[in-house]
Amino acid sequence: QKEVEQDPGPLSVPEGAIVSLNCTYSNSAFQYFMWYRQYSRKGPELLMYTYSSGNKEDGRFTAQVDKSSKYISLFIRDSQPSDSATYLCAMSATGNNRLAFGKGNQVVVIP
Amino acid sequence: GAVVSQHPSWVICKSGTSVKIECRSLDFQATTMFWYRQFPKQSLMLMATSNEGSKATYEQGVEKDKFLINHASLTLSTLTVTSAHPEDSSFYICSARLRGGSYEQYFGPGTRLTVT
Repeated sequence: QKEVEQDPGPLSVPEGAIVSLNCTYSNSAFQYFMWYRQYSRKGPELLMYTYSSGNKEDGRFTAQVDKSSKYISLFIRDSQPSDSATYLCAMSATGNNRLAFGKGNQVVVIP
Repeated sequence: GAVVSQHPSWVICKSGTSVKIECRSLDFQATTMFWYRQFPKQSLMLMATSNEGSKATYEQGVEKDKFLINHASLTLSTLTVTSAHPEDSSFYICSARLRGGSYEQYFGPGTRLTVT
């Protein structure tokens, strides 16, 4: 079983729809959870960073962490064509430098 | 804030030559920097972790004599691909962690290396 599972998609949605992305993980030591957005031929850009369980909102983005289910989600409201990118989940345990990444989920927002 | 730059963004070199890629944290100090490699439509593969003033820690299967990493200061790390071969052609991305214990990494824009 991989440490982090993420459905690679692609996921196509019409402009204005809600995009829902998620990752599951197996390592219960993970405490720090991140979502990155990566445009083609660019480095990943940090979107959301959360610690432990709970919700965090930033503009159109909401990140949720459910540690009891080992499940994290990212929601994008009022999606725009500029949101078309690959979204990577990543996570880390206390005292560990390394990030465990999901495979990335390609999102296409259709105008 | 938390901007990381890479130079060059794109480089073509001949087989057998060496290429140096620079990674800089522009507005923060980074005690730890990371080097990744990414193939098309795949996730990031960690190559090595470097701490300022220390030798880099390489991931299993990454040749340290081929991929030389130097973390000379709190804002600069370099990756040198020595005796490059066409199979080294890839997208190389660095990242940095803020000094002070937070776990998120900030990534550079990446360097596309093509070895002919």
